[in-house]
Amino acid sequence: NAGVTQTPKFRILKIGQSMTLQCTQDMNHNYMYWYRQDPGMGLKLIYYSVGAGITDKGEVPNGYNVSRSTTEDFPLRLELAAPSQTSVYFCASSYKRGGMSYEQYFGPGTRLTVT
Amino acid sequence: QKEVEQNSGPLSVPEGAIASLNCTYSDRVSQSFFWYRQYSGKSPELIMSIYSNGDKEDGRFTAQLNKASQYVSLLIRDSQPSDSATYLCAVKKNDYKLSFGAGTTVTVRA
Repeated sequence: NAGVTQTPKFRILKIGQSMTLQCTQDMNHNYMYWYRQDPGMGLKLIYYSVGAGITDKGEVPNGYNVSRSTTEDFPLRLELAAPSQTSVYFCASSYKRGGMSYEQYFGPGTRLTVT
Repeated sequence: QKEVEQNSGPLSVPEGAIASLNCTYSDRVSQSFFWYRQYSGKSPELIMSIYSNGDKEDGRFTAQLNKASQYVSLLIRDSQPSDSATYLCAVKKNDYKLSFGAGTTVTVRA
């Protein structure tokens, strides 16, 4: 299993441009998440999904959009990029079984710079 | 008040010593607690999970949980240079969402 994969690893955007960060997991996890991590800070939840077709906002959703058309994929869309979106973005996934949800596993991250 | 607070680092310990990391949380109904290790430029990696009061040991790592005091800690025994990393405390708020502390950076001196 590859686990959680993310593309691209690095990206530089100009202010006002748009892009999609890709995330795929091959563990058949039903829950998926997008976080951002700013220097010296913990992870902030942007959006999450509890299954295909179901998404919801986290703590810092403004400026982002997501979709979940399949169990495996959870892309994050940035519209009209702003310097405040310069950050490292992590995708994660977890599963629920027998009424209990389990630990989150993280992808390698995408380092985004907006100038 | 932050949901999850960790002792501010950086924490520098000599090789072979015990590194002690602390974490407090504000939501009393939290049930699950995790410690992630994050090397510089890498993604967080789960190293410990703890769900009930008391101690949980895994190799050189011991997690301690005290729900009455809303406190969780991580001890790293016989610290090695490879333990140099940032350690993130995470608290599960509900069925699937985690709240993270800002992290404590540990440096193990050879």
